Amino acid sequence: DVKVTQSSRYLVKRTGEKVFLECVQDMDHENMFWYRQDPGLGLRLIYFSYDVKMKEKGDIPEGYSVSREKKERFSLILESASTNQTSMYLCASSPQGRGNIQYFGAGTRLSVL
Amino acid sequence: GENVEQHPSTLSVQEGDSAVIKCTYSDSASNYFPWYKQELGKGPQLIIDIRSNVGEKKDQRIAVTLNKTAKHFSLHITETQPEDSAVYFCAASKGSGGATNKLIFGTGTLLAVQP
Repeated sequence: DVKVTQSSRYLVKRTGEKVFLECVQDMDHENMFWYRQDPGLGLRLIYFSYDVKMKEKGDIPEGYSVSREKKERFSLILESASTNQTSMYLCASSPQGRGNIQYFGAGTRLSVL
Repeated sequence: GENVEQHPSTLSVQEGDSAVIKCTYSDSASNYFPWYKQELGKGPQLIIDIRSNVGEKKDQRIAVTLNKTAKHFSLHITETQPEDSAVYFCAASKGSGGATNKLIFGTGTLLAVQP
């Protein structure tokens, strides 16, 4: 089975802190994605990556950056956390050339105080 | 850009009844329509998908229908069971792989199946 692992289930940070959310997939997938999930808004794409060291902005990239130094790992970075970044963050991966099927991690619930 | 609308936002049914969730999309170039189920404390998981060259697809108690002309697609769950209780998301995409591999998600439907 495809496994997408997010390093933390719950995180509590303070305003202004630099926050790293880590995601690792074990199926050699080329594509990786970061979403945030908010009630009534569904899943919104923050950033995605098609290859190592490659990144593209999604629909809501402001306040976030990403890093993909290795194929299996995709990190989401909040340079200076703000309270409006309190949310559930979901990582996903998908294989190239097999349609758009995405496999999700269990999510990280981030609270910024 | 592409927009996907999903209704209803909440749905409560009695065990054994059917449930229907509907989505509409805006980009006529969309050609792939998956449905994801998110159980409490877990990430979304693909349950069924349909491509634009097919009008209907079934998998046991779940089915998806697609009307390309009207740009809407629906999820049908028959003989609902308590374990069907979850949040369901529809999504739309165009192309496969590469730069067009993005999914645009609906806002989700919370389905509650009452025993």
